[in-house]
Amino acid sequence: GAGVSQSPRYKVAKRGQDVALRCDPISGHVSLFWYQQALGQGPEFLTYFQNEAQLDKSGLPSDRFFAERPEGSVSTLKIQRTQQEDSAVYLCASSFTGGEGYTFGSGTRLTVV
Amino acid sequence: AQSVTQLGSHVSVSEGALVLLRCNYSSSVPPYLFWYVQYPNQGLQLLLKYTTGATLVKGINGFEAEFKKSETSFHLTKPSAHMSDAAEYFCAVSAAGGYQKVTFGTGTKLQVIP
Repeated sequence: GAGVSQSPRYKVAKRGQDVALRCDPISGHVSLFWYQQALGQGPEFLTYFQNEAQLDKSGLPSDRFFAERPEGSVSTLKIQRTQQEDSAVYLCASSFTGGEGYTFGSGTRLTVV
Repeated sequence: AQSVTQLGSHVSVSEGALVLLRCNYSSSVPPYLFWYVQYPNQGLQLLLKYTTGATLVKGINGFEAEFKKSETSFHLTKPSAHMSDAAEYFCAVSAAGGYQKVTFGTGTKLQVIP
């Protein structure tokens, strides 16, 4: 596609509910990143994929967070048993090489109530 | 490890005035440096990047930044502010080469006063 597409744009979850956030990267981009942006903060790295391989998941805050990219294109970030501190904007970005600038999606704003 | 410090969480300038957003970085290896802009309820858009070569980098919308290794700085400038420049700006750093995690600063919100 022409850009990175994320869905849903907004998600309200009750505490304890599981959520799944979707990212469609730019066609042909092998690198895919997930970032978490809390209100008033810069984006914080969560995880990185090169094709279907998850090469770095050091930023995932707990084992409730899980990401996958099974066919090397669409990626899903899943959060189990959501907590209020999970409220943030989740940004997906893709790139050809990973190190020379990413194209970001518009993000999914998750609010846990 | 890399880190970024953006001086000033809020900057106000008059329309037509110089825009200067400050960024200092820390990196134990040669860095790649980036500036991104974020408009409300949107993702981040790459303004410009420094990887190798010329230290003065020109980007979109008339912005430019200069990589100064001796000062570990990568300040963003624009000669004349437009109302449309009002947004949040993020400086970011990664280690040079291939895949590298990008670390962002906390952002500077630019207000342009008519």
